[in-house]
Amino acid sequence: AQTVTQSQPEMSVQEAETVTLSCTYDTSESDYYLFWYKQPPSRQMILVIRQEAYKQQNATENRFSVNFQKAAKSFSLKISDSQLGDAAMYFCAYRSANTGNQFYFGTGTSLTVIP
Amino acid sequence: DTAVSQTPKYLVTQMGNDKSIKCEQNLGHDTMYWYKQDSKKFLKIMFSYNNKELIINETVPNRFSPKSPDKAHLNLHINSLELGDSAVYFCASSQEWGAPGELFFGEGSRLTVL
Repeated sequence: AQTVTQSQPEMSVQEAETVTLSCTYDTSESDYYLFWYKQPPSRQMILVIRQEAYKQQNATENRFSVNFQKAAKSFSLKISDSQLGDAAMYFCAYRSANTGNQFYFGTGTSLTVIP
Repeated sequence: DTAVSQTPKYLVTQMGNDKSIKCEQNLGHDTMYWYKQDSKKFLKIMFSYNNKELIINETVPNRFSPKSPDKAHLNLHINSLELGDSAVYFCASSQEWGAPGELFFGEGSRLTVL
C-alpha cells in the first residue's frame, strides 16, 4: 500500500507570513492524484487544493500553492499571507488513478496562526 | 444543498447499545466511504462501497456493519458499543475514475460512548 508521510505534527506562523507544510509519499505508480485537505475546529473536511501527477505545473488556489516534485515524491503546501482562519489541521492525501477507490492520508499537521 | 449529509451529527450513548449513522450524497458519485477519526485526528478507512457493492473492508470489528440500499446512501450500524468506539465518523463519496477525483466529506458524526 502507498504511504503518505507528514513529518510536521505541528507548525505555527505569524499572521500575514508564509508557511510551508511538508508531505512525502511512497508509490511505484506514475499516474495519481494528490490533495491537501483542511480541517478547522468545526471538523468539516475541506479540499484546499489538488494536483494531477501528469501535470508538471504546480497547482495554485489563491493564497494556497503546492510545490510538486514528482521524482522526489514530495507535495508541499505553501500558504501565503496567512490568516487567522487558516488555523486548522491539514491532511495530505494520495489517490491512485488506476486502482481508483483507495485514498491514503497522512497523519496531519496542526497549523496555528499567531496574531 | 449539502452534497454529502450524515445524521446524526452527535450521538451520546451507553456501552452495549446499538446505534446507526446515516449518509446520503446527491453528487451522483459511484463510490462511498466510511472513515473513522480518532482522538489523535488519524483518519482511518473502514469501508468503501461502489454501486452498492462492498469493495474495501479494512480490519474492523464485525460489530460494525455497513449497508448500502442504493448508490446514494451508505449507512453504518454499530452493535454493542464499546468505549473505544468513541470517535468522529465521516462519510465521504467520490467518482470512481478520472479527474478531479477528490473525496467529498460529510460533516462528521461525533460518537461518544459512556
